[in-house]
Amino acid sequence: DTGVSQDPRHKITKRGQNVTFRCDPISEHNRLYWYRQTLGQGPEFLTYFQNEAQLEKSRLLSDRFSAERPKGSFSTLEIQRTEQGDSAMYLCASSYGGYSPLHFGNGTRLTVT
Amino acid sequence: DQQVKQNSPSLSVQEGRISILNCDYTNSMFDYFLWYKKYPAEGPTFLISISSIKDKNEDGRFTVFLNKSAKHLSLHIVPSQPGDSAVYFCAAFSGAGSYQLTFGKGTKLSVIP
Repeated sequence: DTGVSQDPRHKITKRGQNVTFRCDPISEHNRLYWYRQTLGQGPEFLTYFQNEAQLEKSRLLSDRFSAERPKGSFSTLEIQRTEQGDSAMYLCASSYGGYSPLHFGNGTRLTVT
Repeated sequence: DQQVKQNSPSLSVQEGRISILNCDYTNSMFDYFLWYKKYPAEGPTFLISISSIKDKNEDGRFTVFLNKSAKHLSLHIVPSQPGDSAVYFCAAFSGAGSYQLTFGKGTKLSVIP
């Protein structure tokens, strides 16, 4: 169990640029989640996948956000035309499914200047 | 609307004493609950969980209590240790075919040696 890996750990970008983050889940896990966390708040759900199928997306997720999980392995989260309000910690998690606990990576911290 | 509420942003406890962290929820569809611990610059780590059909679950120094009629759960840590100092998040699975995990805002626990 090598844990959930996220890359990069930190990203600084200028407003209007596109960014992409990568998540490598625990290999035996078939479910993969993306969350966003800002200071003083709990993790906020963005979306999750069961294998390669995206099963749920948050109503708060704007059209500028897109996530993929090709072949049900790693996942990418892309934010287009970044805004300062996108500055946050982006967390990825994976699980076996059902009500099994989510295992989180250490996140990607995005700063939009 | 905050469906999982942790009304105490912070809590200080002497080493060796009991720490009690509280959580309330509003969504009656929630049927499985988890507690996570988070250190700075790391992702949340799973601690303990409880199903809605139980009222107590214990794992070492950690016990979670669920009062379904009051829509309230609590995490007890006995005895508290300085290494327990972290932010604790309460989370709940939505049930009804959804596996979205909803988090509270967290409570920062400080254990004083």
